[in-house]
Amino acid sequence: GAGVSQSPRYKVAKRGQDVALRCDPISGHVSLFWYQQALGQGPEFLTYFQNEAQLDKSGLPSDRFFAERPEGSVSTLKIQRTQQEDSAVYLCASSLGQGGVGELFFGEGSRLTVL
Amino acid sequence: SQQGEEDPQALSIQEGENATMNCSYKTSINNLQWYRQNSGRGLVHLILIRSNEREKHSGRLRVTLDTSKKSSSLLITASRAADTASYFCATLSGEGTGKLIFGQGTTLQVKP
Repeated sequence: GAGVSQSPRYKVAKRGQDVALRCDPISGHVSLFWYQQALGQGPEFLTYFQNEAQLDKSGLPSDRFFAERPEGSVSTLKIQRTQQEDSAVYLCASSLGQGGVGELFFGEGSRLTVL
Repeated sequence: SQQGEEDPQALSIQEGENATMNCSYKTSINNLQWYRQNSGRGLVHLILIRSNEREKHSGRLRVTLDTSKKSSSLLITASRAADTASYFCATLSGEGTGKLIFGQGTTLQVKP
């Protein structure tokens, strides 16, 4: 497709379950970002990849959060032992150049609800 | 942590009026970007202004940047009901970290 694709769009998990959220960036885009957005809030930075290298993971809230982009294309955000406070929309974005020097293209997000 | 703060948090205007949103930030920046988000959707890029630029236009959008005051404003002229959305500013740190940090946003309602 032409845009950033995220799956699943909606995920309901029981507390303690592991979840994996997938992001397919725009083909050829070097940079990939993950953000967490709570209801009524702005996106909070989680982590950033340049190709397969994770250059910044300072926003990951705990060691239960893990992201990878092994071949420099598709990325997966994994959350282990989910907690209720993990409920949010997880947004993925990609950009053609390095970091945020140009515009980011966002996916529609994956809405996670932890019961 | 959020870098930018938008003001006002919410804005309600009539169709045809102009809407102005402000953004303040804390550290030096490389660029500042504005994004729009319709309810339940992803963010869409509107305009980017670099730290050495003072004003930029795109259609009905006008963005200004004052690096001495660490602030930016987004003006939407002749607003339409379809402009109803949340608007976010985002800053790229001048320290070369690569990450884009978003503010809390302004929710704009344009009444027909």
